[in-house]
Amino acid sequence: QKEVEQDPGPLSVPEGAIVSLNCTYSNSAFQYFMWYRQYSRKGPELLMYTYSSGNKEDGRFTAQVDKSSKYISLFIRDSQPSDSATYLCAMARAAGNKLTFGGGTRVLVKP
Amino acid sequence: SAVISQKPSRDICQRGTSLTIQCQVDSQVTMMFWYRQQPGQSLTLIATANQGSEATYESGFVIDKFPISRPNLTFSTLTVSNMSPEDSSIYLCSVVGAGLNTGELFFGEGSRLTVL
Repeated sequence: QKEVEQDPGPLSVPEGAIVSLNCTYSNSAFQYFMWYRQYSRKGPELLMYTYSSGNKEDGRFTAQVDKSSKYISLFIRDSQPSDSATYLCAMARAAGNKLTFGGGTRVLVKP
Repeated sequence: SAVISQKPSRDICQRGTSLTIQCQVDSQVTMMFWYRQQPGQSLTLIATANQGSEATYESGFVIDKFPISRPNLTFSTLTVSNMSPEDSSIYLCSVVGAGLNTGELFFGEGSRLTVL
């Protein structure tokens, strides 16, 4: 079993819909949680960064962490075709520690 | 966020040759890492590049195959030695820095290697 599980998709939604992404993990030692967006042939771009449980909002993006369930989510409101990309979750035991990545979910937002 | 530049951005290499990838950051950073992303896969950590000392390698990666240098706080190189087609991947430099939110990890654009 992988330490971090993420549905590979693809996830196809119409423009304007809410995109819902999630990851589950098995290691309770993870404390820091991140979401990255990766466009084709580009490096991953950090979208959201959270510590421990709770919610964090930034514009159209909301990240949720539920440590008791070992489950994290990313929601994208009012999705745009430019949101079409692969979204990777990542987590670490401590700040500055190595990251363990999920496999990524490919998202396609159709105009 | 830090600006991370990688060279080359892409290359096509012959089996058995070696290639060195450079990573330059526009500010001093405490932690630098090298990741590999094989086609259609997620990211796997190769090693932590330690300034002034030997890199720390993850399980499955060895110094003879992936020698790493980090002469100062803004620069590192990764060499992929004696390449085979299985080494065809994107190699990514990433950093956590003193001036950045602790724990946030930023990536360069990657170096896409194709080994024939």
